[in-house]
Amino acid sequence: QVQLVQSGAEVKKPGASVKVSCKASGYTFTSYGISWVRQAPGQGLEWMGWISAYNGNTNYAQKLQGRVTMTTDTSTSTAYMELRSLRSDDTAVYYCASGPGVGATYVAYYWGQGTLVTVSS
Amino acid sequence: SYELTQPLSVSVALGQTARITCGGNNIGSKNVHWYQQKPGQAPVLVIYRDSNRPSGIPERFSGSNSGNTATLTISRAQAGDEADYYCQVWDSSTLFGGGTKLTVL
Repeated sequence: QVQLVQSGAEVKKPGASVKVSCKASGYTFTSYGISWVRQAPGQGLEWMGWISAYNGNTNYAQKLQGRVTMTTDTSTSTAYMELRSLRSDDTAVYYCASGPGVGATYVAYYWGQGTLVTVSS
Repeated sequence: SYELTQPLSVSVALGQTARITCGGNNIGSKNVHWYQQKPGQAPVLVIYRDSNRPSGIPERFSGSNSGNTATLTISRAQAGDEADYYCQVWDSSTLFGGGTKLTVL
C-alpha cells in the first residue's frame, strides 16, 4: 500500500531554516507529483507548492516564493521541503501529499502523517 | 484572485443527509476535490474530480458540481463522519476552502 512517512517534529528559532522529508513507498515514485500543505494551529489547510517527481518541475505558492524550495531524491523515493527565514507564523503542521496529474488535474490522493514545526525564540 | 466559500459549520441528525457546499465563481468549470480531516489526523481524500470516490470511501459520500456551487453529500450520516471537510480547486495554484465542521447530532 502507498505510504508517505515524514520526518519528526522540529523546533526552530526565528530566522532559521527547516527541511522536512517525506519518504514514499508502495508506488513508482516518479509516477506522481508531491504537494506540500501546511496547517497552522486551529486553522485551515494552506497549499505551499508542488513538485513533479518525474522531472523536478515546481510550482510554489506566491506568498512563499523566495523562501521555499522543494526537491526530490529519486534514488531514495524521498521528497524534501525547505523553508527559510522562519517566522512565528510559520508554526504549523506540514503535510506532504502525492497523487497523479499536474496542475488542474492533480489530485492529492495520499497524505503523510504530518510534521509539526514550531518557530519560537 | 479566486475564492472558495464554505459554511463554517453544518449539523446533521444521525442517519440523515448532510450537504456541505463550496461556492466559487463558475466553479462548475473546475475540478473540485473534497478532503475529510478528523482531529489530530492528516486529511483524507473522499471525493475527487467533482464526483469520484477513491477506493475505500463509502458510497454514502457523493459529490456534485454545477454553476457556482459544488456540494459534498453524506447520506445516512454516522458519528464517525464528524470532521472538518475542505474543498479544493486549481486556479493557477491550488486553493482550499476555509473548511466546514460537520457535527452529527
